[in-house]
Amino acid sequence: ILNVEQSPQSLHVQEGDSTNFTCSFPSSNFYALHWYRWETAKSPEALFVMTLNGDEKKKGQISATLNTKEGYSYLYIKGSQPEDSATYLCAFTTGNQFYFGTGTSLTVIP
Amino acid sequence: DSGVTQTPKHLITATGQRVTLRCSPRSGDLSVYWYQQSLDQGLQFLIQYYNGEERAKGNILERFSAQQFPDLHSELNLSSLELGDSALYFCASSGQLRSPLHFGNGTRLTVT
Repeated sequence: ILNVEQSPQSLHVQEGDSTNFTCSFPSSNFYALHWYRWETAKSPEALFVMTLNGDEKKKGQISATLNTKEGYSYLYIKGSQPEDSATYLCAFTTGNQFYFGTGTSLTVIP
Repeated sequence: DSGVTQTPKHLITATGQRVTLRCSPRSGDLSVYWYQQSLDQGLQFLIQYYNGEERAKGNILERFSAQQFPDLHSELNLSSLELGDSALYFCASSGQLRSPLHFGNGTRLTVT
């Protein structure tokens, strides 16, 4: 079983603050790294799929970077809004199975 | 809407019983994954099917089984249910290997 770790476990920020979380994964047998956004009472939705070392992806005010050599990815949210409140999951894949972290729960306080 | 349909949304049953959860993947997706989310736990991978064949197995109990049919829908069978099986069961589908997973809305199973 591969270990995917996310930190912090939870985060409370004020509206307008920028924030970032970390996903750590094994640096061997890397195929892709996924980020998902999971709102309460909904199902996870894909944010990014990252495959190359040094990849940087952006969607609105959310961006992510990838370092496959050291096995980590950062997710950044610039100017958090209350609607950004959700659990952010990362998933490491070897090309077959997906190994999910336990997520970072973000609460943005208005 | 992810295009993945799971039924039923809720299921309440007694210990010792057997239930079947159903998943229809997004149109064109050949892979189906089943995940379990128990209280305060992350998504635990159960099993994956690709075009009708079992591709990978995770922490799936022997009391649980699954299959993917020729029309690509999948069923997860849970038998001899225990209280600890109460959880949210998600199905997800994907197309190409680097494609993201598309999740259904889940089936909430409560075992009493």
